[in-house]
Amino acid sequence: NAGVMQNPRHLVRRRGQEARLRCSPMKGHSHVYWYRQLPEEGLKFMVYLQKENIIDESGMPKERFSAEFPKEGPSILRIQQVVRGDSAAYFCASSPRRDGSNEKLFFGSGTQLSVL
Amino acid sequence: DQQVKQNSPSLSVQEGRISILNCDYTNSMFDYFLWYKKYPAEGPTFLISISSIKDKNEDGRFTVFLNKSAKHLSLHIVPSQPGDSAVYFCAASGENFNKFYFGSGTKLNVKP
Repeated sequence: NAGVMQNPRHLVRRRGQEARLRCSPMKGHSHVYWYRQLPEEGLKFMVYLQKENIIDESGMPKERFSAEFPKEGPSILRIQQVVRGDSAAYFCASSPRRDGSNEKLFFGSGTQLSVL
Repeated sequence: DQQVKQNSPSLSVQEGRISILNCDYTNSMFDYFLWYKKYPAEGPTFLISISSIKDKNEDGRFTVFLNKSAKHLSLHIVPSQPGDSAVYFCAASGENFNKFYFGSGTKLNVKP
């Protein structure tokens, strides 16, 4: 009965390096969301994906950030050339297939990214 | 654009008393509202939800009230327990949205 699994829990990168954050949704869930929480702030939407499709990326910074959810394997949030301002907690959430009914998100424990 | 607002960053109550956490939203198209609880170093966990066709939903010690005309919802916890100390986020969404909008959170401290 595994929940949403995120790894790594903590990731330290130097400025200019790449960060890769992984998220395996709950079994049976085909929808993945990524949120970012900056210190002392709330959860900010980044991107919503279904298998092999990006549905809404309106919260993603225009440069350096990308996300994917391949047919096989976890969803990946990739940050290229990280800067100190990217330091934050990144949360992944999943939900079951949407059929027009309301449903809730199930969150992982997050990845704390620290950029030195 | 902050479509979901939690104007109280923190709240402190005595064990056994009622905790009332408030949330306001601006978009009248939202029709589904949720409350999440978050402990440090953990992900948010779902607490309770309410659809816009209702004005109240209760689950044990937790009750959510929705006032659509005021675009306001509140979470009541009674009686409050020290284990309820956490950050509480309200969130909103709807059939026309691809995402859930979260407030900035209210840190609840329940004193023994």
